Amino acid sequence: DQQVKQNSPSLSVQEGRISILNCDYTNSMFDYFLWYKKYPAEGPTFLISISSIKDKNEDGRFTVFLNKSAKHLSLHIVPSQPGDSAVYFCAASIYGNKLVFGAGTILRVKS
Amino acid sequence: DTEVTQTPKHLVMGMTNKKSLKCEQHMGHRAMYWYKQKAKKPPELMFVYSYEKLSINESVPSRFSPECPNSSLLNLHLHALQPEDSALYLCASSQGTVKQYFGPGTRLTVL
Repeated sequence: DQQVKQNSPSLSVQEGRISILNCDYTNSMFDYFLWYKKYPAEGPTFLISISSIKDKNEDGRFTVFLNKSAKHLSLHIVPSQPGDSAVYFCAASIYGNKLVFGAGTILRVKS
Repeated sequence: DTEVTQTPKHLVMGMTNKKSLKCEQHMGHRAMYWYKQKAKKPPELMFVYSYEKLSINESVPSRFSPECPNSSLLNLHLHALQPEDSALYLCASSQGTVKQYFGPGTRLTVL
């Protein structure tokens, strides 16, 4: 049973435009959500997170939005840069014990 | 220093071999993790060590044996693996928060 879903396997965006990556979850017990970025042959790198008591968190070009009623979160990257091209994983946690990852979305930013 | 190191980077082994993967962090983190990632799939949790004690084993076959010699080191001992165990093995650490820092991984091939 896939508790964290990223339904878009890939996304292509023009440099300078907004990238929006989506994530849905099914377990209402998740209390923390994170986004990780992964380049080939490297481990995932933490990007941004949000607690379930908030609906928005911003860090520079990256903003994560959480809609608890819809069990949906999204990552906005503005403006997108070619260096942002990577695989983006959404992850969720219950009480900080373990992370459950989505399948990932490949983002390609075209210059 | 926010680095998690893993050795070796690549490992090729036969089904009768015994080998070990090593992971090290010097961030003072008290939780350490092993994940397995197959191609085009998300990382899947295998083991969690908290304060040097095994706290989570995600029903991993006994041919994988974790060990935490001290708070900075985490090993994964491999014996009698199968070709389907070929994957990227990721180590991560965290301290009191959900945010996990990942190493670059060991690419394991079982012949």
